[in-house]
Amino acid sequence: QQQVKQSPQSLIVQKGGISIINCAYENTAFDYFPWYQQFPGKGPALLIAIRPDVSEKKEGRFTISFNKSAKQFSLHIMDSQPGDSATYFCAASMIQAGTALIFGKGTTLSVSS
Amino acid sequence: ETGVTQTPRHLVMGMTNKKSLKCEQHLGHNAMYWYKQSAKKPLELMFVYSLEERVENNSVPSRFSPECPNSSHLFLHLHTLQPEDSALYLCASSQEGLAVDGELFFGEGSRLTVL
Repeated sequence: QQQVKQSPQSLIVQKGGISIINCAYENTAFDYFPWYQQFPGKGPALLIAIRPDVSEKKEGRFTISFNKSAKQFSLHIMDSQPGDSATYFCAASMIQAGTALIFGKGTTLSVSS
Repeated sequence: ETGVTQTPRHLVMGMTNKKSLKCEQHLGHNAMYWYKQSAKKPLELMFVYSLEERVENNSVPSRFSPECPNSSHLFLHLHTLQPEDSALYLCASSQEGLAVDGELFFGEGSRLTVL
């Protein structure tokens, strides 16, 4: 119930294409869903986050789509660039209950030029 | 120095050694965390300190011992580790602890290899 399942494990996208990474959760008490981006040799950094009261959030080329009924959320990277090549982690937490973030296993994205 | 700084960046130790990982945050945050990152596994939360008080300990073996002397420094003391403890250990900080609606700021990690 506390897991966040992320797919795919790895993804190769052509430059200019759309990258899509999916996450699913079971615990309906989760109320905060961030995505973190990690480059090799660096720590993860917050990319974008969403609360369940909205179905979509967009920041530049990055969009989170949230489907509360399906208990799924996804990250879309439009016009993918080689500089987007990194590992992406979805996560979830229960702000009301004061729990720490639970992370997915990560998706390694490679954008080929 | 800015952000979250971890030292050493790389550490190789034998199973009988005692070593420590250090983390320092320059962000004025109140909470600090240790995470373990292993290949093809989710980031695993190990310890959380909020205002220098440990608020979460996720069933971590006693061979890992955290210490938080003040809100800017966090240590992870290592003793009689096992080869399966080899991983990247990430330190993070946040403005507030556990009720995280904001951002976790991670360091670059300490790559630990246990022989």
